[in-house]
Amino acid sequence: SQELEQSPQSLIVQEGKNLTINCTSSKTLYGLYWYKQKYGEGLIFLMMLQKGGEEKSHEKITAKLDEKKQQSSLHITASQPSHAGIYLCGADNTGTASKLTFGTGTRLQVTL
Amino acid sequence: GAGVSQSPRYKVAKRGQDVALRCDPISGHVSLFWYQQALGQGPEFLTYFQNEAQLDKSGLPSDRFFAERPEGSVSTLKIQRTQQEDSAVYLCASSFFLRGEQETQYFGPGTRLLVL
Repeated sequence: SQELEQSPQSLIVQEGKNLTINCTSSKTLYGLYWYKQKYGEGLIFLMMLQKGGEEKSHEKITAKLDEKKQQSSLHITASQPSHAGIYLCGADNTGTASKLTFGTGTRLQVTL
Repeated sequence: GAGVSQSPRYKVAKRGQDVALRCDPISGHVSLFWYQQALGQGPEFLTYFQNEAQLDKSGLPSDRFFAERPEGSVSTLKIQRTQQEDSAVYLCASSFFLRGEQETQYFGPGTRLLVL
C-alpha cells in the first residue's frame, strides 16, 4: 500500500551486525504493529506502539514511534540467523482498530 | 493456549470452482479479520467481524467473495467461480475488543490458494 512504505525492501547483514528497518505512513498512526513472517507461515506479533515517542524492546529488538506518529523504526542489535525473515509493519490509520494497513515488508537475511 | 487455526493449509482449485476457507479464532476473541496476501506483498484487508456482525467488508474485491461468522466464533471465507487472480495466501486474525483501545491481532498460518 502506498499509504505505508517500508525501507529497505531487502537487507543482507552479517551475523552480529546491527540493522534498522523503517516504516513511514502518510497518515497519523493510531497504532503501529510490527510482525515477522517466515515463508509459508503466518505473521508473528513482535510489538505494538501507539503513543508518540514510545519505545519498546524485546530481547534484541527495539521499536520506536516518532513524536509525530507517522514513522516507526525497528532496530535489531547483534543480529542472529534466527532473526532472518520478512518484517512487516501494520498501521491502524483510523483509530478504530478495525483493520490494519500493511507495508510490503522487509526481507532480512543474516549471513554467517 | 491454542492460536488461530486455519484449514485447509493448501488448496488447489480449477478456475471456476467454488472454495471455502475456514478460520478458528482464539477462544474468547470478539474480533475476526480476513486478509489476502499476494506473493511478495503485505497482507491486504478483506473484511472484519465483531462477534457475528460483519462490520466492514470494504476490502472484498468482488461479489464472488463472501464471508460469514454465524455464531460469532468460526468464520468461513467463500470464493465463488475462482479466477487465477484469486491465487494468494488468505490470512485470518483475531483479537479481543475493547472500545477505543488498540488490541493486537493474532494471525493464523494462512491458507495458500492456487487457482489453475
